[in-house]
Amino acid sequence: RKEVEQDPGPFNVPEGATVAFNCTYSNSASQSFFWYRQDCRKEPKLLMSVYSSGNEDGRFTAQLNRASQYISLLIRDSKLSDSATYLCVVISTSGTYKYIFGTGTRLKVLA
Amino acid sequence: ETGVTQSPTHLIKTRGQQVTLRCSSQSGHNTVSWYQQALGQGPQFIFQYYREEENGRGNFPPRFSGLQFPNYSSELNVNALELDDSALYLCASSSPGPETQYFGPGTRLLVL
Repeated sequence: RKEVEQDPGPFNVPEGATVAFNCTYSNSASQSFFWYRQDCRKEPKLLMSVYSSGNEDGRFTAQLNRASQYISLLIRDSKLSDSATYLCVVISTSGTYKYIFGTGTRLKVLA
Repeated sequence: ETGVTQSPTHLIKTRGQQVTLRCSSQSGHNTVSWYQQALGQGPQFIFQYYREEENGRGNFPPRFSGLQFPNYSSELNVNALELDDSALYLCASSSPGPETQYFGPGTRLLVL
């Protein structure tokens, strides 16, 4: 089983739709969690950190469920510019801090 | 922009050759991590350097090695290149610990 798993998609949604992605992780001792966005042939860029209390940044909301070991990302009122691959990242603390990436979920917002 | 730079942007090598990739970290960051991203996959952790010492390693063979310099810039060296080494190589800089990492634009390596 992979340490971090995501549905690769693609998720094709119309503009204005709400879309949600989940990401599960296997290491219950994982400490920190992030969502990164990666555009085609570009580097990953931090979208937001994920906290147990949940956090919101404009149209984006991230949640962490430690009991079920998953994180989620909700995008409201999707824009064409939201089309990208969304990578969840879990920081593993097995001896040292390592970023463990999921394979990414591809989102395509359609006009 | 993150302030993390990488060189070269693209590289073509043949099997068996050796390659060196370079990364300059963001000002104020003393930790550099290297990742390999194959097409359609998420980045895979290669190793991390903190204050010029290796501070963690992923499941990569010893022919992947690295260095960090006193100015916190870093090199990734790959010996005896294989076709499967073709990928995007990303470096990321951060402060130590479970902190946000900021990625450079990557080096695309093609091994023929």
